[in-house]
Amino acid sequence: QKEVEQDPGPLSVPEGAIVSLNCTYSNSAFQYFMWYRQYSRKGPELLMYTYSSGNKEDGRFTAQVDKSSKYISLFIRDSQPSDSATYLCAMNSGGSQGNLIFGKGTKLSVKP
Amino acid sequence: SAVISQKPSRDICQRGTSLTIQCQVDSQVTMMFWYRQQPGQSLTLIATANQGSEATYESGFVIDKFPISRPNLTFSTLTVSNMSPEDSSIYLCSVERTGSSETQYFGPGTRLLVL
Repeated sequence: QKEVEQDPGPLSVPEGAIVSLNCTYSNSAFQYFMWYRQYSRKGPELLMYTYSSGNKEDGRFTAQVDKSSKYISLFIRDSQPSDSATYLCAMNSGGSQGNLIFGKGTKLSVKP
Repeated sequence: SAVISQKPSRDICQRGTSLTIQCQVDSQVTMMFWYRQQPGQSLTLIATANQGSEATYESGFVIDKFPISRPNLTFSTLTVSNMSPEDSSIYLCSVERTGSSETQYFGPGTRLLVL
């Protein structure tokens, strides 16, 4: 079993839809959870950062962490064509710099 | 956030040759990291580079294949040595986010194709 599982998609939605992206993980020591957005031919861009369980909202983006289920989600409201990108989840247990464990990424396409 | 640049942005290389990738950051950082992103795969950490000390390599990566330099707090290089087609990948450098060592900012990547 891989440490982090993420459905690679592709996921295609119409403009304005609510998008739900998810990752599951197996290591209960993970405490820090991140979502990165990666446009084609660009480096990953930090989108959301969450510590432990709970929700965090930033504009149209909401990150949720459920440590009891080892499940994290990213919701995008009112999706726009500019949201079309690959979304990567990443996590680590803290205290060991560099040990970010990534999912494979979900490719999202928002159609006008 | 830190501004990170990488050179070259892409390259096509012949089997058996070596390529050195440069990473420049606009501010001083303690930790710099090098990742590999292969098609359809997760980003994988190659090594962590601290200024003034030897790089720390992850399992499966060795210094002879991926020598790293870190001459100062804003610059690092990764060399991909004796390349084979299996080394075709995107190579990314990153730095830790100021005040939050648990997460990182990434450069734009170097796209390498080995023929």
